[in-house]
Amino acid sequence: QVQLQESGPGLVKPSQTLSLICTVSGGSISSDSYYWTWVRQSAGKGLEWLGHIYIDGKRNYNPSLTNRVSLSIDRSKNLFSLKLNSVTAADTAVYYCAREPFVCTYGVCYPNWLEPWGQGTLVTVSS
Amino acid sequence: QSVLTQPPSVSAAPRQKVTILCSGASSNIGSNYVSWYQQLPGTAPKIFIYDNNKRAPGIPDRFSASKSGTSAALDIAGLQTGDEADYYCGTWDSSLNVYVFGTGTKVTVL
Repeated sequence: QVQLQESGPGLVKPSQTLSLICTVSGGSISSDSYYWTWVRQSAGKGLEWLGHIYIDGKRNYNPSLTNRVSLSIDRSKNLFSLKLNSVTAADTAVYYCAREPFVCTYGVCYPNWLEPWGQGTLVTVSS
Repeated sequence: QSVLTQPPSVSAAPRQKVTILCSGASSNIGSNYVSWYQQLPGTAPKIFIYDNNKRAPGIPDRFSASKSGTSAALDIAGLQTGDEADYYCGTWDSSLNVYVFGTGTKVTVL
């Protein structure tokens, strides 16, 4: 059974870069059936999709993050990573990684649902 | 940004039924599959429904879902105290190129 686990610093200073890793176990990140994604949730708020990456490195980011987000994948280590630049207090949230099965219609592919999810990691932006 | 609208809360007595509505647009619910997630306090969301109306493995048949036009609905029948949680709808938005979630609905068992 595939499991995902987030790791990284729990405290980041304003204007610095938030860096998180999601380690995949129980399955290969190199499967051609999934995107690998990041979602965050601020305290008491809803879920915000940050972006996803495919095994060939193709990425799709949430435009609301104004080019601050970057995803990468390391097939040899079975993990993928998130970097968020120029963070502010508004980026304080629980960050989740998840796997996205996708569906393709007329050559256009999009994620179908998210499962499984990692347990989440709280990142606080504060000086 | 939540482009899918859900009621903030719904409630009912044990063994009753609740329905959670998720309202969207032609670019999201209207053209792509909808999924539903349950989030218990302090835990990660968990898939409950995918492909509009298919239950994920292990999800009881008390949970059912449907989609019509630009709206989707999740029904919970025979409400139990263990069903108290936040529920989110989700789908791909083909115009924004973003996976979008609903605003979330808190289910309370009276």
